[in-house]
Amino acid sequence: DAKTTQPPSMDCAEGRAANLPCNHSTISGNEYVYWYRQIHSQGPQYIIHGLKNNETNEMASLIITEDRKSSTLILPHATLRDTAVYYCIVRVAGLTGGGNKLTFGTGTQLKVEL
Amino acid sequence: AAGVIQSPRHLIKEKRETATLKCYPIPRHDTVYWYQQGPGQDPQFLISFYEKMQSDKGSIPDRFSAQQFSDYHSELNMSSLELGDSALYFCASSPAFGGGWNTEAFFGQGTRLTVV
Repeated sequence: DAKTTQPPSMDCAEGRAANLPCNHSTISGNEYVYWYRQIHSQGPQYIIHGLKNNETNEMASLIITEDRKSSTLILPHATLRDTAVYYCIVRVAGLTGGGNKLTFGTGTQLKVEL
Repeated sequence: AAGVIQSPRHLIKEKRETATLKCYPIPRHDTVYWYQQGPGQDPQFLISFYEKMQSDKGSIPDRFSAQQFSDYHSELNMSSLELGDSALYFCASSPAFGGGWNTEAFFGQGTRLTVV
């Protein structure tokens, strides 16, 4: 799986958009970009994933550059409850389950403040 | 909606003892993953199962073993426990649609194992 690079920490004011960048310059054509977050000592929580098109769901938006070498997770209106470690993960889209594990790197600690 | 259930939530064991962690995946999920997260560290992949067969293996010590049963629940067995095994252990499951293609994994709340 391709490696990803994320800033170790970011701050965001409550109510503002949080934009979390991720570099994955060695991503392959069959690899998806996944975002998970982990609120202190809880199980990682799935946020969103995409291949090459921008994606949006009730939690966030994912913007993937045209060359797919980087992406940005956008939390449109961050709240205190969004304070967590955010992981950007590149994952092979396998044909069978289990082989396409999630490999966690060092994520971004997002701190949302008043 | 049903989530991934892990038991127990907390476990305290002494060195050299054994421990068994259980994971009950979301219904109709056929793939289970196990992760270990030490203090201040990121989750590390241990092992995964698909349709009751081991499908991938990570940095799992030889003292650990795991299996997936016919009802798709999984157990992680840990023997000769060491102080360094103290960690959060997470289980995740993926749905069967597409055999795992382009599917997200859902995590349980973890088991906190403390070895004293």
